[in-house]
Amino acid sequence: DAGITQSPRHKVTETGTPVTLRCHQTENHRYMYWYRQDPGHGLRLIHYSYGVKDTDKGEVSDGYSVSRSKTEDFLLTLESATSSQTSVYFCAISESRRTYEYFGPGTRLTVT
Amino acid sequence: QQQVKQSPQSLIVQKGGIPIINCAYENTAFDYFPWYQQFPGKGPALLIAIRPDVSEKKEGRFTISFNKSAKQFSLHIMDSQPGDSATYFCAARRSGETSGSRLTFGEGTQLTVNP
Repeated sequence: DAGITQSPRHKVTETGTPVTLRCHQTENHRYMYWYRQDPGHGLRLIHYSYGVKDTDKGEVSDGYSVSRSKTEDFLLTLESATSSQTSVYFCAISESRRTYEYFGPGTRLTVT
Repeated sequence: QQQVKQSPQSLIVQKGGIPIINCAYENTAFDYFPWYQQFPGKGPALLIAIRPDVSEKKEGRFTISFNKSAKQFSLHIMDSQPGDSATYFCAARRSGETSGSRLTFGEGTQLTVNP
């Protein structure tokens, strides 16, 4: 998985609790992305980062926030988890905006 | 809105068959069209990609056909094997982006190759 780790790999949480997912890369790539994968929707971009402290919204950003204080780490936070945020979350990285995206192993999040 | 439409949702073929997965897009600003392969419990992995200045690209048993005027592209898997059983995603990227690749994905096709 191209030097990308995600933690935790599985998490079950209750509605209304905050949740933070971590993506760590060892490739020193500039761009990092968070996607969610749901049946019938493919992968949808939540947020992305184009450098330390530089982030922007994707297609489905409501209810999510991100932070990137170091090149290697990109955090996704659900401030108050809802059942609609039950999904598999994938982190991805790319070296530049014109190169391929490489995906991490994913985090399966269940909100009960 | 779904800017990349993928079909079929699922596909079953026999070993040696040639499964074909189709995608259609709307945005003419897309300039890069990758296909990703995903096995259960794993992240998607880049399989093959094409740019709109060519009509076909082959890598091993995998071929992308691209029809710019119809805004369609498809993946063909020659001599399919049970190990090709996976979920396949097409995607498209917009040009002119200054911040990241911004891929838009199709809904995915679950391929099963029976022995």
